[in-house]
Amino acid sequence: QKEVEQNSGPLSVPEGAIASLNCTYSDRGSQSFFWYRQYSGKSPELIMSIYSNGDKEDGRFTAQLNKASQYVSLLIRDSQPSDSATYLCAVNRPGAQKLVFGQGTRLTINP
Amino acid sequence: NAGVMQNPRHLVRRRGQEARLRCSPMKGHSHVYWYRQLPEEGLKFMVYLQKENIIDESGMPKERFSAEFPKEGPSILRIQQVVRGDSAAYFCASSPRHTGGFQETQYFGPGTRLLVL
Repeated sequence: QKEVEQNSGPLSVPEGAIASLNCTYSDRGSQSFFWYRQYSGKSPELIMSIYSNGDKEDGRFTAQLNKASQYVSLLIRDSQPSDSATYLCAVNRPGAQKLVFGQGTRLTINP
Repeated sequence: NAGVMQNPRHLVRRRGQEARLRCSPMKGHSHVYWYRQLPEEGLKFMVYLQKENIIDESGMPKERFSAEFPKEGPSILRIQQVVRGDSAAYFCASSPRHTGGFQETQYFGPGTRLLVL
């Protein structure tokens, strides 16, 4: 079982719709969760961090964390073509100051 | 407000040569991380450093790879005797001092794309 799993996609969503990206993790001790966006050939860019169960909203983005189910998701409302990118879920490994990344989900927003 | 800086952005080496990748963390950050991203793969942790200390090098290959973060100057990732399989994007990230048991946000530099011929 991978430490952090994401559906690699590609996920195709029409412009203006809600894009839903999912991530599961294996270590129950993880406490810090991050979503990064990576455009092709570029570096990861932080979208959102979340540490507590529930929802955290920032503009069009909402991160959701459910520690009991070991599940973290990212919702993108009113999707724009500029949201087309690979979205990386990252989780800290307990007791170690480092991030474990999922494979990433490739998202395409269709005009 | 400069972010994380890396240079060079692109590096071409022939097999057997040495590659030196440099990273300057964001102002006020004292923690540096190196990650490698192979083509079409996710980011893999390599090493975590603070000034003059290697804290965690569990992701570093046992041979040919080394890292340092001296008291003065940037962090250096050094790859000796490069092979074609070393071709990848190498990203540096930095974070502020950690608080409690939580991982502080890591901010990434633009990366160095290494191509080994």
